[in-house]
Amino acid sequence: GIQVEQSPPDLILQEGANSTLRCNFSDSVNNLQWFHQNPWGQLINLFYIPSGTKQNGRLSATTVATERYSLLYISSSQTTDSGVYFCAVSNTNAGKSTFGDGTTLTVKP
Amino acid sequence: GAVVSQHPSRVICKSGTSVKIECRSLDFQATTMFWYRQFPKQSLMLMATSNEGSKATYEQGVEKDKFLINHASLTLSTLTVTSAHPEDSSFYICSALRLAGGIYNEQFFGPGTRLTVL
Repeated sequence: GIQVEQSPPDLILQEGANSTLRCNFSDSVNNLQWFHQNPWGQLINLFYIPSGTKQNGRLSATTVATERYSLLYISSSQTTDSGVYFCAVSNTNAGKSTFGDGTTLTVKP
Repeated sequence: GAVVSQHPSRVICKSGTSVKIECRSLDFQATTMFWYRQFPKQSLMLMATSNEGSKATYEQGVEKDKFLINHASLTLSTLTVTSAHPEDSSFYICSALRLAGGIYNEQFFGPGTRLTVL
């Protein structure tokens, strides 16, 4: 099956700093999503981005499908951005996704 | 965005009892739902794919008789952990797949259920 690697595994930032999270995948995909899991366990959809670039406020994402990676950018980080960021990909029409191991982000005040 | 609810959010039960967890898509119909399990500080592990009107598809190593899944309507899937034991204690999360104009499908997650088996 498809392999998903996220980096870095852990990231500690001061409030206001910018960061880039990476997701590499081993095969072509037709579906890629970024999620933020908050401290209570809820997964929040950030982006559906199998290709191209999207922006939503302080967050943006870029997927280069031909090179099999996606990047999540967080600018001017806030303490509420803390949590685990997951990348999930799929290469079937059934919608079943493979999750990476996540990046744990800690933003310090 | 789409809303998926999950009930209960937390359950504590005695070993040997069965526990039912409900997953509902509140504002869209979901032919397909997924059930995941997550251990502390780990990623989500897919347990099974729940399809409305048909039998669930289980991932390798997941006991179908242990984790019963029923997807009786386009907005409801249930997971029943039968004869629960302490090793079944975990965080269980469901997701519902929303199709968008036949162009793509996107998963939306419930808030999760924390199961503790004593």
